[in-house]
Parts: sequence; structure tokens; C-alpha cells
Amino acid sequence: AQTVTQSQPEMSVQEAETVTLSCTYDTSESNYYLFWYKQPPSRQMILVIRQEAYKQQNATENRFSVNFQKAAKSFSLKISDSQLGDTAMYFCAFMNNNDMRFGAGTRLTVKP
Amino acid sequence: NAGVTQTPKFQVLKTGQSMTLQCAQDMNHEYMSWYRQDPGMGLRLIHYSVGAGITDQGEVPNGYNVSRSTTEDFPLRLLSAAPSQTSVYFCASPGQYLQPQHFGDGTRLSIL
Repeated sequence: AQTVTQSQPEMSVQEAETVTLSCTYDTSESNYYLFWYKQPPSRQMILVIRQEAYKQQNATENRFSVNFQKAAKSFSLKISDSQLGDTAMYFCAFMNNNDMRFGAGTRLTVKP
Repeated sequence: NAGVTQTPKFQVLKTGQSMTLQCAQDMNHEYMSWYRQDPGMGLRLIHYSVGAGITDQGEVPNGYNVSRSTTEDFPLRLLSAAPSQTSVYFCASPGQYLQPQHFGDGTRLSIL
């Protein structure tokens, strides 16, 4: 079974600085998809960014970008110019066929 | 969240009671799924459906029952609630395979 590991339970960053959240996964599959989700205190699950495993180019979405290392099975999220509204839980997720697995999450606090 | 509606938002049950969590989507999506979110464990897939009349088990299916009689609705049933089922439950629907998952707002369920 696929597993997703987020080794940083909590992180903090100063407003306007850059922070990187780590995620590793374990799978024997070659075709899959990776996601980062944000969950603010409102409890909503919001898709931040996604990456198809067959694409070598790292996905970017405005201030959010990923460093996808397929051989190392690593999928980190970089948030540039951090904003107070980025404060939330961040979940890394792996999807293959109909099976989606989430990491335990990283609580990010952006400090003014 | 646009398109996926969950009810109720909060519920308290006694051990042994039964209840149904409702999930409806108006996006005409084939795929729907149920997750539970527990502290420190991220989201775990309970059951999913790839279309009307078709359901399958996810990572943690025990104690839950689902059916999919229409494309729009995917209810989750607890036949005999147990304290271990105290959790936050999310319904999700991703639409096209590569499209983001649309999550409902979640149901906080407490079982005493």
C-alpha cells in the first residue's frame, strides 16, 4: 500500500519569507498524481497544487511551487512571500487509480 | 464549497445508534468518496464510488456502509456507532480524473 510521510508536524515562518514543507511517499507504481492541500481553521480542504508523476517539470501556482524528485519519491512544497492567510494545515496526498492517501499534515504558522 | 454539500455539519450520537451522513454533488461527477480525518493522521479513505451502482472499499471501510443509487448522492451509513468512529468526515468528488477534488465542508461526528 502507498504511504505518505510528512516529517514536520509544525513549522513557522515570518511574513514575506520563504518556507518549504517536506513530503515523501512510498509506492511501486510508476503513474500517479501528487497534491498539496491547505486546510485553514475553517476546516475546508483547498487544493494548492498538483503534479503528474510523468511530468518532469515542477508545477508552480503563483507563490506556490513544488520540488518533485521522482527517484527519491520526494514532493516538497515551497511557499514564497508568505502571507498571514497561508497559516493552515498542509497535507500532501498521493493518488493512483482510485486510491488517494494523505500524509499526517504540517501545521504552518505565518508570523507578522 | 461549490458543488459538494454535506449534512449535517455536527452530530452527537450514543454508542450503538445508527445514522446516515448525506453527501450530494451537482457537478454530474462520476467519482465520489468519503474520508475521515483524525488528529495526527490526515485523511483516510473509507469508501468510494466510480458511478451509480458501483462502490468499493478504501483504506478504513469497517463499520461503514455506502450505496450509490444516483449520480448526485453518496450517503455514508454508520449501522452501530462506536466511540472509535468519532471523527470529522469529508465527502469529496474529483470530477475528471485530473481535476482537483471538491470537498464538502465536513461533518464533525462525536460518539459517546
